[in-house]
Amino acid sequence: AQRVTQPEKLLSVFKGAPVELKCNYSYSGSPELFWYVQYSRQRLQLLLRHISRESIKGFTADLNKGETSFHLKKPFAQEEDSAMYYCALRRWGGSEKLVFGKGTKLTVNP
Amino acid sequence: DTGVSQNPRHKITKRGQNVTFRCDPISEHNRLYWYRQTLGQGPEFLTYFQNEAQLEKSRLLSDRFSAERPKGSFSTLEIQRTEQGDSAMYLCASSLEDRGRETQYFGPGTRLLVL
Repeated sequence: AQRVTQPEKLLSVFKGAPVELKCNYSYSGSPELFWYVQYSRQRLQLLLRHISRESIKGFTADLNKGETSFHLKKPFAQEEDSAMYYCALRRWGGSEKLVFGKGTKLTVNP
Repeated sequence: DTGVSQNPRHKITKRGQNVTFRCDPISEHNRLYWYRQTLGQGPEFLTYFQNEAQLEKSRLLSDRFSAERPKGSFSTLEIQRTEQGDSAMYLCASSLEDRGRETQYFGPGTRLLVL
């Protein structure tokens, strides 16, 4: 069964502090992992995907197949990072449905 | 606006009524997806189209739900005999097939409230 688990519903940090949003997955084949973000009153948008191996807005995420994790990290959080973050997966090389976690609401306090 | 658009943005209806939502994908995107999101949950897949063909339907899509994509352009999602449990945000996404490297772009959603 395909499953994405985001154990933290809420995460609150101070500006300038490091932040890590956890994501664990369960998938029988080879998955492709994504992080989507939804800022207040905006639509869901792609933040990054594991195959790109790039940093977006200072965020990075590494796929750890041994631990089946894809945690999102940023060394110095900014207030504008406050948003809802969703981890998602789909079959590697597939173009079908995304399976989402329940999301983590990140609040960065001044 | 070249993004995915959805109409209406909000819909309030009484239990038992039928409702229809529309999604206009990004121009030339050949794939279109419908998801449903309830409070405290992430989006859950309902169905998707490649051009006009409906290729997959979730078990969440009961026989009261029907989706179409005539001519492979816009799509409609109809819910017949609505129930209070249908209250949710209905999201549409579109993508351009790219050998498995595509990105799904989401619309703003239609929020349905069934009284």
